[in-house]
Amino acid sequence: DAGVIQSPRHEVTEMGQEVTLRCKPISGHNSLFWYRQTMMRGLELLIYFNNNVPIDDSGMPEDRFSAKMPNASFSTLKIQPSEPRDSAVYFCATRTGTSGSNEQFFGPGTRLTVL
Amino acid sequence: AQSVTQLGSHVSVSEGALVLLRCNYSSSVPPYLFWYVQYPNQGLQLLLKYTSAATLVKGINGFEAEFKKSETSFHLTKPSAHMSDAAEYFCAVSSNQAGTALIFGKGTTLSVSS
Repeated sequence: DAGVIQSPRHEVTEMGQEVTLRCKPISGHNSLFWYRQTMMRGLELLIYFNNNVPIDDSGMPEDRFSAKMPNASFSTLKIQPSEPRDSAVYFCATRTGTSGSNEQFFGPGTRLTVL
Repeated sequence: AQSVTQLGSHVSVSEGALVLLRCNYSSSVPPYLFWYVQYPNQGLQLLLKYTSAATLVKGINGFEAEFKKSETSFHLTKPSAHMSDAAEYFCAVSSNQAGTALIFGKGTTLSVSS
């Protein structure tokens, strides 16, 4: 199994540009989580989906952030317009709904730098 | 609601010494508890988990943790540190209901000196 796949691994962009981060979950996993990691705030849950439906988006910082999961194999996190304070590592994690333990499997992350 | 507190953002030990990373949780329902490890420039990897079975949980790389309900703690230990253990460690909690999210602590960076 390839694990959780995230792309791109690194993204450098200028303030005001649109950024799209992508995640492919492990096959058969029906829950997907987006996290942001910074030195100041640690690991923050942004949003999560169960069976492609957003369950909790209370961690999304503001309207500039949006996330979609159009099918069980793909999710995107979009920032428009981006700002320097969005610079962080963004992780996607997925989980099978039948594990019973709520264990999550993490992707390698996307390191975003907004200049 | 759940929350996690990791005491000490940075712990330094010598190679061969005991590793103790502290985690206290708060949960209004029976919890599931986790320890994850993050090596530089990588994602988080599960070390071990507690899901209401044995209170002493053994994980990978010689780590173990003990669930103590009376102390609301889930401290991570390893008898003898290796240089390769240097990483950031995260404690996390969720409710025992399937489908709920994990809430992570702020992490503890472990340094190992020779």
